[in-house]
Amino acid sequence: AQSVTQLDSQVPVFEEAPVELRCNYSSSVSVYLFWYVQYPNQGLQLLLKYLSGSTLVKGINGFEAEFNKSQTSFHLRKPSVHISDTAEYFCAVSDGGSQGNLIFGKGTKLSVKP
Amino acid sequence: EAGVAQSPRYKIIEKRQSVAFWCNPISGHATLYWYQQILGQGPKLLIQFQNNGVVDDSQLPKDRFSAERLKGVDSTLKIQPAKLEDSAVYLCASSSPARLAGSEQYFGPGTRLTVT
Repeated sequence: AQSVTQLDSQVPVFEEAPVELRCNYSSSVSVYLFWYVQYPNQGLQLLLKYLSGSTLVKGINGFEAEFNKSQTSFHLRKPSVHISDTAEYFCAVSDGGSQGNLIFGKGTKLSVKP
Repeated sequence: EAGVAQSPRYKIIEKRQSVAFWCNPISGHATLYWYQQILGQGPKLLIQFQNNGVVDDSQLPKDRFSAERLKGVDSTLKIQPAKLEDSAVYLCASSSPARLAGSEQYFGPGTRLTVT
């Protein structure tokens, strides 16, 4: 069975500082990995995804993530955050099965302070 | 293009009452998902439809939850009777491509249900 662990429930950071949101997954088969963002009172929006190929994936809003198979990690990074990045971030895994079902982590709340 | 629409946005009911949520996916999207997001947790899949057929409902509490997508377009999720632990945000999502694995799911704004 697959699972996703987001190691930090809350991450406070000052504006223009770098940030890393950590995600580890568990799966016995090849996986696809995703990061979604959820702004207050809104649905989830895809930031980026890893399917295959280059392990460094670039997404929207200046975010990127690196797939590390040996460490079963898919950490999300941004070199300089803005107030508008304040949101909850969810890491998700799919086993590549025909149904495309996603298993989500519990989320990390990113708070960017001025 | 218009996004995934959900209604109502908020609902407060007493335990043992029934409630229904509506979702209209992005036009042309064959796959529709219902998720339950309890406060402090990530979304959990309840049911997945492909057109008007159920693909996966293994995590749907079938004694009280039901869902339908009769014409392969919009969908309704019902809870009857509701319990306190059903308080959550119910998210609807849709996706389009022929190969689902790795495809992006587009989410609606959700319905926040409070059971008192």
